[in-house]
Amino acid sequence: GESVGLHLPTLSVQEGDNSIINCAYSNSASDYFIWYKQESGKGPQFIIDIRSNMDKRQGQRVTVLLNKTVKHLSLQIAATQPGDSAVYFCADFNQAGTALIFGKGTTLSVSS
Amino acid sequence: EAGVAQSPRYKIIEKRQSVAFWCNPISGHATLYWYQQILGQGPKLLIQFQNNGVVDDSQLPKDRFSAERLKGVDSTLKIQPAKLEDSAVYLCASSPRDPSTVGRSPYEQYFGPGTRLTVT
Repeated sequence: GESVGLHLPTLSVQEGDNSIINCAYSNSASDYFIWYKQESGKGPQFIIDIRSNMDKRQGQRVTVLLNKTVKHLSLQIAATQPGDSAVYFCADFNQAGTALIFGKGTTLSVSS
Repeated sequence: EAGVAQSPRYKIIEKRQSVAFWCNPISGHATLYWYQQILGQGPKLLIQFQNNGVVDDSQLPKDRFSAERLKGVDSTLKIQPAKLEDSAVYLCASSPRDPSTVGRSPYEQYFGPGTRLTVT
């Protein structure tokens, strides 16, 4: 069915470390994935997206990897900063292509 | 550019009362979404508008929830009567859905700060 989930609910890292947040999806027909960041008291904020015809996409300090064989994607944050502390969600579209389906989120805590 | 505006930011009501939320999307965005986000979970779509028409309301509990987007701009979401399980953050988002948007995803949704509803 349509579901997008994350492996771990929480992740704690030290400032300057690299962070890896994982996500598994079940809809093998999904062709578009998005990562969102949600800080406390705010709405989700777009980070980066990737289409299914790509394996990797890089942004500023972030990289998303897509493994379609095992239906897994990950968000890598380089040199994690305290400002990166937030809840991270992966999302893909429903089969109708009309709505985003969000996973449950991973809370990233960065200590300095 | 101004972001998505929502009001109120917080609301506390008793069960069986009614409540309304307001959203003003980013100017020119044709698509508007209302999401419900229960604590500890990801946002769940309630309803999607394209201009002033409904695209998807399959997950809207229509016996108590209603939404409208008159004139294809602002939108209101109403709950009547509220139940305890309606306690959540209600997020509004808008999207240009314009494939010609250069350098940005046409599917990128811009979220407002949300309205935190507590039903007692």
